[in-house]
Amino acid sequence: EAQVTQNPRYLITVTGKKLTVTCSQNMNHEYMSWYRQDPGLGLRQIYYSMNVEVTDKGDVPEGYKVSRKEKRNFPLILESPSPNQTSLYFCASSLPPTGEDEQFFGPGTRLTVL
Amino acid sequence: AQKVTQAQTEISVVEKEDVTLDCVYETRDTTYYLFWYKQPPSGELVFLIRRNSFDEQNEISGRYSWNFQKSTSSFNFTITASQVVDSAVYFCALSDLTGANSKLTFGKGITLSVRP
Repeated sequence: EAQVTQNPRYLITVTGKKLTVTCSQNMNHEYMSWYRQDPGLGLRQIYYSMNVEVTDKGDVPEGYKVSRKEKRNFPLILESPSPNQTSLYFCASSLPPTGEDEQFFGPGTRLTVL
Repeated sequence: AQKVTQAQTEISVVEKEDVTLDCVYETRDTTYYLFWYKQPPSGELVFLIRRNSFDEQNEISGRYSWNFQKSTSSFNFTITASQVVDSAVYFCALSDLTGANSKLTFGKGITLSVRP
């Protein structure tokens, strides 16, 4: 089954404790990205990756890091989480971007930073 | 810059009523794509439809229909004979192909509540 998986689905942590949210896709997609969803703001892109070892900032990259060492995985790293990073996070993947391709979204990770 | 406006924030209807969700977009691109996603209470994002800027035909899929009007930069979504299971947050999104970044610019979402 074609899918994007994220782990963990739910996470409560404390300020400053490094964490990683994993994202994996089994569709051999080249393009992957991370979004965060906040009430009243919709979804905003954090980082994206066009292929292995190629990543770039989206609209709200501050406080986040990513890596793309393998095509299927695109982890989101919070080196020193802060309460304003409490949010619902989505990973997405698609074929090489032409704008028209459906982006497949993971199930979401709900992060709370105390 | 790309922008998607969903002016309605919350809509409440009684089951079997028709409801239209509005979406207005801004873009300088001549080629672009518009999407609707549904987010049920369980939280996942469900893809509903994609429309490209060259295809202004309205589309109907069961109880769902979409009205794309380039002249008014609108891509509205109508649910006919709404059901309780339609209760969800609905997002309109615009595809922004900036270089190699196929970013989706989302509206803020419309929370639809369908009461029995």
